[in-house]
Amino acid sequence: GAGVSQTPSNKVTEKGKYVELRCDPISGHTALYWYRQSLGQGPEFLIYFQGTGAADDSGLPNDRFFAVRPEGSVSTLKIQRTERGDSAVYLCASSLYDRRAFFGQGTRLTVV
Amino acid sequence: ELKVEQNPLFLSMQEGKNYTIYCNYSTTSDRLYWYRQDPGKSLESLFVLLSNGAVKQEGRLMASLDTKARLSTLHITAAVHDLSATYFCAVDSNSGYALNFGKGTSLLVTP
Repeated sequence: GAGVSQTPSNKVTEKGKYVELRCDPISGHTALYWYRQSLGQGPEFLIYFQGTGAADDSGLPNDRFFAVRPEGSVSTLKIQRTERGDSAVYLCASSLYDRRAFFGQGTRLTVV
Repeated sequence: ELKVEQNPLFLSMQEGKNYTIYCNYSTTSDRLYWYRQDPGKSLESLFVLLSNGAVKQEGRLMASLDTKARLSTLHITAAVHDLSATYFCAVDSNSGYALNFGKGTSLLVTP
C-alpha cells in the first residue's frame, strides 16, 4: 500500500484479556518499529525489526508484550493479560536504510 | 539515559508572527528528526538533519542542528493557522535504530 497500515484503529478490551495489533508496513521497507504513545507524551520505543528478526526489543515494558514479523513484512504486537496501564496509542513505523521512519495512524487501545 | 527536551511545551502565537521551538538532547547524536502530529493523526516526517550545521527549510518552517551544543531549532516564519499542530523532535537512541522523542510542542496559531 501507499503508507503504513494499522488495524484495528480502535480496540477496547477488558482487563486481563489478550489482544493483537497488526501493522502492514510500506512495501519494500525492511525496518519496522513499534512505539507506544500516551496522552500528552512523545512516542516511546518498544521494538525494532530488521527483516524477520527483532534486532532490538529493549523497549518492551515486560514479558506480557511480544511482537513477531514471521515473513519480514506484516508484524503483530501481542499483549497478554492486559492492564489498564497498557491503554495508549500503539504506533507502527517502517523505513528503508536511511532510517527516516514513516508512521501509521496507530491503534488506540483502551483497557477497561 | 538519553533525554530529549523540548521547549516550550505549549505555544500560542498570532498569525504572521515568528517563533522558535528548541530541542536539546543529552548525548552525542548525528541525526535529528522533526515530526508533526495533528490531533488524532499519526506523525508526519518534516525534516531529517544529518550533520552539524545542517539547515533545512520547507515553506514557513526551517530546522537547524548544532551537534556540539546538542541543540536543534525549528523556526516558524509568519505563522498561519494551518501550522497548528504538535511538533516533536527525536534523536537516534544509543542502540542506533530506535528514536527517542521529546514530549512535543503543542502549537496554536490564532488570527
